[in-house]
Amino acid sequence: EARLVESGGGLVKPGGSLRLSCAASGFSLNDAWMTWVRQTPGKGLEWVALIGSKSYPGRIDYIAPVKGRFTISRDDSENTLYLQMNSLKTEDTAVYYCTTSGLGLWGQGTLVTVSS
Amino acid sequence: DVVMTQSPLSLPVTLGQPASISCRSSQTLVHSDGVTWVQQRPGQSPRRLISKVSNRDSGVPDRFSGSGSGTYFTLKISRVEAEDVGVYYCVDIANWPSTFGQGTKVEIK
Repeated sequence: EARLVESGGGLVKPGGSLRLSCAASGFSLNDAWMTWVRQTPGKGLEWVALIGSKSYPGRIDYIAPVKGRFTISRDDSENTLYLQMNSLKTEDTAVYYCTTSGLGLWGQGTLVTVSS
Repeated sequence: DVVMTQSPLSLPVTLGQPASISCRSSQTLVHSDGVTWVQQRPGQSPRRLISKVSNRDSGVPDRFSGSGSGTYFTLKISRVEAEDVGVYYCVDIANWPSTFGQGTKVEIK
């Protein structure tokens, strides 16, 4: 059975960094287009970052508010997706989910709180 | 960016009665097979119900149906059950980065 498990969330001060991980099982991450989606009470669900499958190695994209601060990557040997988040802002506070790009598989989410 | 707008945002429904949620896109979706509906039950992660406008995911009851084309799409529940309580979102996965709809909260009257 395919499964995604996120980790790495927590409380961080504005300007700080966090790295989120998403461990996949039951399928190979590099065969799938993957995304990070976040959810805040005020803004609902929002795409954050996208990475193409191994057949599209250069396909990476971000929403405008996180460009230059967040980096999506994948470790094929670990079958794990990452989201490196730098220069965090209070408005990045959210539950972060990793998903397949078609939204057919979601993790349980990890909470990121950016606050002083 | 494609913006998806849902209505209503709150939908109180009597058990056993039908429910309908609409979703309008800001642009005509030439390839509307990106339209997807997800359900989020209280305290749970979102779960995909319908892809490509009308394809139900495995395990999704057939009381759920999706339809539409162009700029107007609909999710219908033929007879609402207690387990259907939650928030429903539409999104177009074919356009990056389209917005998710604001969500429609379905509750039992």
